[in-house]
Amino acid sequence: AQTVTQSQPEMSVQEAETVTLSCTYDTSESDYYLFWYKQPPSRQMILVIRQEAYKQQNATENRFSVNFQKAAKSFSLKISDSQLGDAAMYFCAYRTPGTSGTYKYIFGTGTRLKVLA
Amino acid sequence: SAVISQKPSRDICQRGTSLTIQCQVDSQVTMMFWYRQQPGQSLTLIATANQGSEATYESGFVIDKFPISRPNLTFSTLTVSNMSPEDSSIYLCSVEAPTLGSGYTFGSGTRLTVV
Repeated sequence: AQTVTQSQPEMSVQEAETVTLSCTYDTSESDYYLFWYKQPPSRQMILVIRQEAYKQQNATENRFSVNFQKAAKSFSLKISDSQLGDAAMYFCAYRTPGTSGTYKYIFGTGTRLKVLA
Repeated sequence: SAVISQKPSRDICQRGTSLTIQCQVDSQVTMMFWYRQQPGQSLTLIATANQGSEATYESGFVIDKFPISRPNLTFSTLTVSNMSPEDSSIYLCSVEAPTLGSGYTFGSGTRLTVV
């Protein structure tokens, strides 16, 4: 069965600095999708960035980028120029391949990011 | 991407009562998903709701405790029945964006406290 592991329960970063959140996963599939979600205290889950496993190029969304290492089954999130608004719980998620009715999302346990002014 | 209106945003309920949570999507979607997030923990899938058929429940969740309705392609409800303090959690509904692998859109969540 697929699993997603986030080994850092909590991380801290100084404002304007860079931080990397780790995520590893286990799967026997070759085609799948990976995501990072942000959950601020408001509870709203917000998609930060996504990566298709068949793409070797690492995804980037403004200050957010990933380091996707397929062979190592690693999917880390780098946040550059950290801002106070980045403080939140971050969840790594794996989506199995498949279309309607045949896929699942598996979420990691989350990493709480604190941003220090 | 879809916009989901979820309500109530929070509630405090007496044990033994039931609460119904509603999710309205601004577009038609085949599948809607209901998650539970216990305090300080990750998301656990409760069930998948398809329009026109019974919901599919994950291991550990049963229809009698978490009945789900899906009357049309834009709306679903989750009821938490005969509540106990252990049901205190955040409940989230979600849908997947139409483009394959685009990710979930989530409702804003319902914070339930059972006293």
